[in-house]
Amino acid sequence: SQKIEQNSEALNIQEGKTATLTCNYTNYSPAYLQWYRQDPGRGPVFLLLIRENEKEKRKERLKVTFDTTLKQSLFHITASQPADSATYLCALVRRGKLIFGQGTELSVKP
Amino acid sequence: SAVISQKPSRDICQRGTSLTIQCQVDSQVTMMFWYRQQPGQSLTLIATANQGSEATYESGFVIDKFPISRPNLTFSTLTVSNMSPEDSSIYLCSVELLGGGLWGYTFGSGTRLTVV
Repeated sequence: SQKIEQNSEALNIQEGKTATLTCNYTNYSPAYLQWYRQDPGRGPVFLLLIRENEKEKRKERLKVTFDTTLKQSLFHITASQPADSATYLCALVRRGKLIFGQGTELSVKP
Repeated sequence: SAVISQKPSRDICQRGTSLTIQCQVDSQVTMMFWYRQQPGQSLTLIATANQGSEATYESGFVIDKFPISRPNLTFSTLTVSNMSPEDSSIYLCSVELLGGGLWGYTFGSGTRLTVV
């Protein structure tokens, strides 16, 4: 069955640094992969989608890479801010359904 | 993009009772999705609800436990039946932002259920 793995340990970084979160998947190779942000007590919010033929995608301070050989996506937040503190989830779409990783909690300290 | 209103936002229920969760979307959508997020875990898809047909359930979820209604293209309900403490979770509904899954999905704010 499809597995998506994200770093289960929380990531703590200093404000202004770049946060890098990892998403690895096994078996099925998705045509695209999505990243979401989830704040406590809220539903996930869609951030970015990257297609299998795209190596990299950027949106403001966010950058996502997609390596289909390694079966890995990296999610970067540059110039991080305390407001970026949240749980970040990667997800892939299989047969029209989202399959989520367990998420990585990011904490940005001032 | 679609906006989802989900209610109740939270509830505390006695074991053996049932709770119905409602999701209202501000635009017509073909498919609505129901997820469960257990404490400290990621989201697990319960079922997909299409208007005019029976919901499609994922492995490990059954209609008797989680009956779903989809009376029109903007509304759906999920009922958690005969609840036990193991059903304590956050339940979320979701729709595609646009068709084809290429633009992400939007989620309701969730229903935090505690069964005592």
